[in-house]
Amino acid sequence: DAEITQSPRHKITETGRQVTLACHQTWNHNNMFWYRQDLGHGLRLIHYSYGVQDTNKGEVSDGYSVSRSNTEDLPLTLESAASSQTSVYFCASSESRQQLAQYFGPGTRLLVL
Amino acid sequence: RKEVEQDPGPFNVPEGATVAFNCTYSNSASQSFFWYRQDCRKEPKLLMSVYSSGNEDGSFTAQLNRASQYISLLIRDSKLSDSATYLCVVTPMDSNYQLIWGAGTKLIIKP
Repeated sequence: DAEITQSPRHKITETGRQVTLACHQTWNHNNMFWYRQDLGHGLRLIHYSYGVQDTNKGEVSDGYSVSRSNTEDLPLTLESAASSQTSVYFCASSESRQQLAQYFGPGTRLLVL
Repeated sequence: RKEVEQDPGPFNVPEGATVAFNCTYSNSASQSFFWYRQDCRKEPKLLMSVYSSGNEDGSFTAQLNRASQYISLLIRDSKLSDSATYLCVVTPMDSNYQLIWGAGTKLIIKP
């Protein structure tokens, strides 16, 4: 069955380290998204992509970067991890700009010490 | 004013009861609407899209009121397994197809 996976599921890192979170989908969806979810804030968009080589900044993109070299993957990199980036990170995908419903991966819980 | 507003709850409801909650949105040009559910420590999952004519899926009914700019979710004959946080999602026409998320309404069904 087609799915969307994230790895690692849990990660503990230290302030200042570079961290990459993986997201892989097998639906062949054009659109992919990264969100973070914190208590009191709901889901906040970090970066998104509408296709290979396309990336766009969301509302909380500072300190994060993404790249889209193929349809299936959108890795999220924290350039220099900060304690404020401790959060739950969700990756999502949607079929196209006309089919907007998004489907989520299981999430990555990141703790920055 | 937030773009999408929901009563955070929690709504504590006895099993079998009917419960309804609303979600208001600020952009009158919004074109697509969804309800998602999120269980504790899990990912959001699409519950249903919301259509202008209203739509039903099992014990769930969703309605859209464009004039008053709100969508609603009605759960009939609620079950313990309906306990979750329900997220309202809206897509404004000028959002470059991004979804705007409400913070969620927490529902607790009690036996």
